Amino acid sequence: VLTQSPGTLSLSPGERATLSCRASRTVSSNYLAWYQQKPGQAPRLLIFGASSRATGIPDRFSGSGSGTDFTLTISRLEPEDFAVYYCQQYGSSRTFGQGTKVEIK
Amino acid sequence: LQLQGSGPGLLKPSETLSLTCSVSGASITSNSYYWGWIRQSPGKGLEWIGSVSYGGETYYRPSFKSRVTIAADKSKNQFSLKLTSVTAADTAIYFCARHSGSFPFDFWGQGTLVTVSS
Repeated sequence: VLTQSPGTLSLSPGERATLSCRASRTVSSNYLAWYQQKPGQAPRLLIFGASSRATGIPDRFSGSGSGTDFTLTISRLEPEDFAVYYCQQYGSSRTFGQGTKVEIK
Repeated sequence: LQLQGSGPGLLKPSETLSLTCSVSGASITSNSYYWGWIRQSPGKGLEWIGSVSYGGETYYRPSFKSRVTIAADKSKNQFSLKLTSVTAADTAIYFCARHSGSFPFDFWGQGTLVTVSS
């Protein structure tokens, strides 16, 4: 089970966002990904392997962590970054967290 | 690479859900890639349902295993999802997506809304 916190993050453009994802068991080989989803769209892959950015993802997005605790950081929020973010482990199975909504304060 | 899901949007309880994902820009038999189905509902969030590999092997989430079949049609470069005995709990947006054995879902289809209602 992946547990994301907080459920909602209210921030202003330009601020730093820190999202947490905690696994109930060690994520093998750090097979942990982060996705961004906007209304009416499919999720978009941001981070894989806990800390590697996917193709075309701006460097304001960064991932860190290992074992059971992982973090997605958005260094300075742009208007297009307000969305829902999901973590996913893709090791032994493929399960998603319940999501963190980043909303405009 | 593009994935395009299609299929009926309205089903009655006990019917079988059938969706197809057409793939363009890559072959579904390309080495090392898997083609999967994920659904999203307000109650359960994002759930991986299962995947079919480039070689035709299938992998299912245990909770779906008794009701689901995923198959690849190499001649049409498509893969499909069948889910039997649907109930209202199966109402969701169904996405098709690509992944590999050691990589997450990197390309997604647009999603197909399926509603189960009498």
